[in-house]
Amino acid sequence: DIVMTQSPESLAVSLGERATINCKSSQSVLYSSINRNYLGWYQQKPGQPPKLIIYWASIRQSGVPDRFRGSGSGTDFTLTITSLQAEDVAVYYCQQYYSTPYSFGQGTKLEIK
Amino acid sequence: QVTLRESGPALVKPTQTLTLTCSFSGFSLATSGVSVSWIRQPPGKALEWLARIDWDGAKDYNTSLKTRLTISEGTSKYQVVLTMTNADPADTGTYYCARILAAPGYKNDAFDVWGQGTLVTVSS
Repeated sequence: DIVMTQSPESLAVSLGERATINCKSSQSVLYSSINRNYLGWYQQKPGQPPKLIIYWASIRQSGVPDRFRGSGSGTDFTLTITSLQAEDVAVYYCQQYYSTPYSFGQGTKLEIK
Repeated sequence: QVTLRESGPALVKPTQTLTLTCSFSGFSLATSGVSVSWIRQPPGKALEWLARIDWDGAKDYNTSLKTRLTISEGTSKYQVVLTMTNADPADTGTYYCARILAAPGYKNDAFDVWGQGTLVTVSS
């Protein structure tokens, strides 16, 4: 089974500043034949279900602001929010869908400093 | 518009069998590339994938829970049912169903639409 590890567990960033969340998989989630990383990022606000914001490691879901950027390949990935807004306060999860059983990171709680 | 809705008991006693239903609209389990998964979240904790059923009937389970889980199609191609035997207080949490719509020829993709979730408490 693939284990996903996120860091940090929590993060406090000032409004307008950059927030960076890291995610590491225990094995590569890159499907070489099609050059795609089977990695997604989800945003979960209190009392709400998770919302997909990034898929294939770097593709923004429709309607997601361009301040959200995904990067990385293989086993190491990053979610960057380039200019933090108040509405970005949430818990963020990475998830691998390279193989079942699918797995999520433990989550990163993002707050305003 | 694609929507999913989870339903089931709010309270289950330990050792009982938990049965949850995911009803959805805007897509069908008869469509190639579609799969529906169950994912749960204990209070204040991380997400845990439980099981999945594909448009072609294939099924997959969480490694540590597979002996207790059964996923199946419901009464129509617009329903998926999850049963979990021998409920334990550690199973308390919010249970979500979510859709995957994979590209032709592929099965794995991100969960693009989620239900609102249903809270299940396991307690005597």
